[in-house]
Amino acid sequence: LAKTTQPISMDSYEGQEVNITCSHNNIATNDYITWYQQFPSQGPRFIIQGYKTKVTNEVASLFIPADRKSSTLSLPRVSLSDTAVYYCLVVRGWDSNYQLIWGAGTKLIIKP
Amino acid sequence: GAVVSQHPSWVICKSGTSVKIECRSLDFQATTMFWYRQFPKQSLMLMATSNEGSKATYEQGVEKDKFLINHASLTLSTLTVTSAHPEDSSFYICSARGRRVRMGYTFGSGTRLTVV
Repeated sequence: LAKTTQPISMDSYEGQEVNITCSHNNIATNDYITWYQQFPSQGPRFIIQGYKTKVTNEVASLFIPADRKSSTLSLPRVSLSDTAVYYCLVVRGWDSNYQLIWGAGTKLIIKP
Repeated sequence: GAVVSQHPSWVICKSGTSVKIECRSLDFQATTMFWYRQFPKQSLMLMATSNEGSKATYEQGVEKDKFLINHASLTLSTLTVTSAHPEDSSFYICSARGRRVRMGYTFGSGTRLTVV
């Protein structure tokens, strides 16, 4: 059974780099990985997406090892406004035949 | 970037009444729409998936007669909670995906439903 597992919560301080790791041991060949950020009473917001190795955009980096059984979201120099819940999502399949495998979310608290 | 507009952002209704929630993709054609519900401090729970012009596919345990989903056009999907009861109170969120499957899933801002 496909499953994504991530830590329930993490704390860090302003200006630090934060790494949140998601485990997806049963990832399949064509699955890809996406991360979302959610603030209270808002819909999730797309952060980054990747298939393998490293992906970087203006807000984050995503590291995926060769076996793809895990992925790490890296947030550089966090600020208080980065306090949110971060979800790992593995998307399996293509077109109209796919499965969305959500992690339970990691509550990240940034302290001053 | 892709934007999904969801309305209303919150609604309070009486037990036994029906509530309709709208989800619109503003700048892209949403070939697939997803509806989630989320209880406090819990993860997203997928309720159903709908492809434009087709009947929605409901997840196990979700009552299709209670949660009516319509996806009649490429820019609009609606979720109607029929005969709402207090246990239906939750945060409902829609998500849309366009033809460019690698664009990711764009979420609406959510609807807080309170049934009294």
